[in-house]
Amino acid sequence: GESVGLHLPTLSVQEGDNSIINCAYSNSASDYFIWYKQESGKGPQFIIDIRSNMDKRQGQRVTVLLNKTVKHLSLQIAATQPGDSAVYFCAGYPYPFFGNEKLTFGTGTRLTIIP
Amino acid sequence: DTAVSQTPKYLVTQMGNDKSIKCEQNLGHDTMYWYKQDSKKFLKIMFSYNNKELIINETVPNRFSPKSPDKAHLNLHINSLELGDSAVYFCASSQPKTSGIISEQFFGPGTRLTVL
Repeated sequence: GESVGLHLPTLSVQEGDNSIINCAYSNSASDYFIWYKQESGKGPQFIIDIRSNMDKRQGQRVTVLLNKTVKHLSLQIAATQPGDSAVYFCAGYPYPFFGNEKLTFGTGTRLTIIP
Repeated sequence: DTAVSQTPKYLVTQMGNDKSIKCEQNLGHDTMYWYKQDSKKFLKIMFSYNNKELIINETVPNRFSPKSPDKAHLNLHINSLELGDSAVYFCASSQPKTSGIISEQFFGPGTRLTVL
């Protein structure tokens, strides 16, 4: 079966620096990946997604990179702010996706911003 | 306006009791989900309903029974609660598109269940 999202559990970054959160997956058939942000006491919130036919996708202050060769996914947050403090999850859908497959979440990385 | 809402936000109960968690979404989505998040923040799907029909049923004890009275609601009933059921339960919804196109899941705020 698939396995998505072996994360380092914690990451501390100085405010204003760039953050890079990494995720590894074990199934080469994973087709679609999503990064979620979960703030304390809240549900996960969608940040950005990427399909397996892409290597990079950019959003506002965030960039997701996908390296299918080494089965590695990363989320880069530019100019990290205090509001970026949260647990970040990568999640994936298997390939092929027909609409009802389950979303598998990684273990998450807790990002702490140092003032 | 709250997109996906859950009640209650906190639930503290004794072992052996039966309890329900309610979920409602006002996004007009056809698919709803229940996830369990344990103390280590690991998030795992339990059930998925599409238009009131059960689609995904993970290996969950049959003490857990989801009920979908209409496509805007997916409630979770838990019988004979055990200590290991303590967790945060999240409801989510999405609107499936045509095959191969994936839609975002919107999560509720969670219900923290504590079994004593």
